[in-house]
Amino acid sequence: EVQLVQSGAEVKKPGATVKISCEVSGYPLTDYYLHWVQQAPGKGLEWMGLVDPEDGEPMYAEKFLGRVTIVADTSTDTAYMDLSSLRSEDTAVYYCATSPKIHPVFDHWGQGTLVTVSS
Amino acid sequence: DIQMTQSPSSLSASVGDRVTITCQASQDISNYLNWYQQKPGKAPKLLIYDASNLETGVPSRFSGGGSGTDFTFTISSLQPEDIATYYCQQYDNLLSFTFGPGTKVDIK
Repeated sequence: EVQLVQSGAEVKKPGATVKISCEVSGYPLTDYYLHWVQQAPGKGLEWMGLVDPEDGEPMYAEKFLGRVTIVADTSTDTAYMDLSSLRSEDTAVYYCATSPKIHPVFDHWGQGTLVTVSS
Repeated sequence: DIQMTQSPSSLSASVGDRVTITCQASQDISNYLNWYQQKPGKAPKLLIYDASNLETGVPSRFSGGGSGTDFTFTISSLQPEDIATYYCQQYDNLLSFTFGPGTKVDIK
């Protein structure tokens, strides 16, 4: 069974950096892209970026360029997302999701991690 | 960047009704269009991929169609468990992904 398990909720101050993890089990991570998706309270889904675990190459959405870093550790089948220079608008649930490289659909999702940015 | 619009933003229908949601892309995306269902407090779930293909295990009352810039998502007979927000999502050859703003579906 495929599972994506994310780290727990975080509370951060404005200007800080948050790091969220996503551990994947059930299939070889190198066959997939690992994505991160932001969902602010009561709002829609926003794709932040992805990493190719096979070569570590990331791709970021323009909105988050310069503030987001996505990496994957194939030795532990875990991906990480750092979001820096946090502001109140970054308060959101962050989801990791996988998509097969040959077919870019988000087929499996983590449970979500709530990040609250508050002074 | 490709922009996605959805309509309506919300709808209310009776159990058994046929429900249709439309999604429009700002440029031709061929059939690179997927549909997801998200229930409150849960992660999204893939329902339809490549515009019209039903994901394994998804009830046949869900269907999708369209190509190019205009797409539809239909629930042929609305059930109480279908209460959710539905999102379209496009992808392109440059590995860029965009979600539509979502359509919230309620029971009348």
